Amino acid sequence: AQSVTQLGSHVSVSEGALVLLRCNYSSSVPPYLFWYVQYPNQGLQLLLKYTSAATLVKGINGFEAEFKKSETSFHLTKPSAHMSDAAEYFCAVTQLSGYSTLTFGKGTMLLVSP
Amino acid sequence: DAGVTQSPTHLIKTRGQQVTLRCSPKSGHDTVSWYQQALGQGPQFIFQYYEEEERQRGNFPDRFSGHQFPNYSSELNVNALLLGDSALYLCASSWQLAGATDTQYFGPGTRLTVL
Repeated sequence: AQSVTQLGSHVSVSEGALVLLRCNYSSSVPPYLFWYVQYPNQGLQLLLKYTSAATLVKGINGFEAEFKKSETSFHLTKPSAHMSDAAEYFCAVTQLSGYSTLTFGKGTMLLVSP
Repeated sequence: DAGVTQSPTHLIKTRGQQVTLRCSPKSGHDTVSWYQQALGQGPQFIFQYYEEEERQRGNFPDRFSGHQFPNYSSELNVNALLLGDSALYLCASSWQLAGATDTQYFGPGTRLTVL
């Protein structure tokens, strides 16, 4: 079975500060990992994905994530937060042997203050 | 490209009723997945349709059923509604040949409220 754990249901940062959202995965086989963002009353938008190529993955809106097998982690970072980054972020996992169905974490709400 | 579309946007039903939600996939996509997102939770996989067949199912009761049409659009049906079925229902589409690494594109969702 595969799963992801997102540490912290809420993260607060000031505008211009570093954003760090944590995700740890559990998988018996090599995983594929995704970060999605959800703005209020909207669906999910893909930020970035890891599919066993480069371990440092760059996504949209200045976000990036690093796959660390030894730590079973896939944390999301952004050097400088913007007010428009305030949203809920979901980490998700799937497997090569699967049909692209995703298992999501519970999400982390990012709050950005001026 | 219209992306993934879902209808209706909002729906209010009472316990015991039945509901049908609809989804049109992104152009060029042939696989549709449905997810349930309860308030404050991450989306949970309900089932996936490809070639008009349900090929994978999550941990949901038989009250949840679906259908995929020849044009790849899909419906989600829920019978005997319970209060706990209140949630945002998300549809996602992808392309089978791209496999597990393919990005799933999500629609805006249908907000179902059961009273």
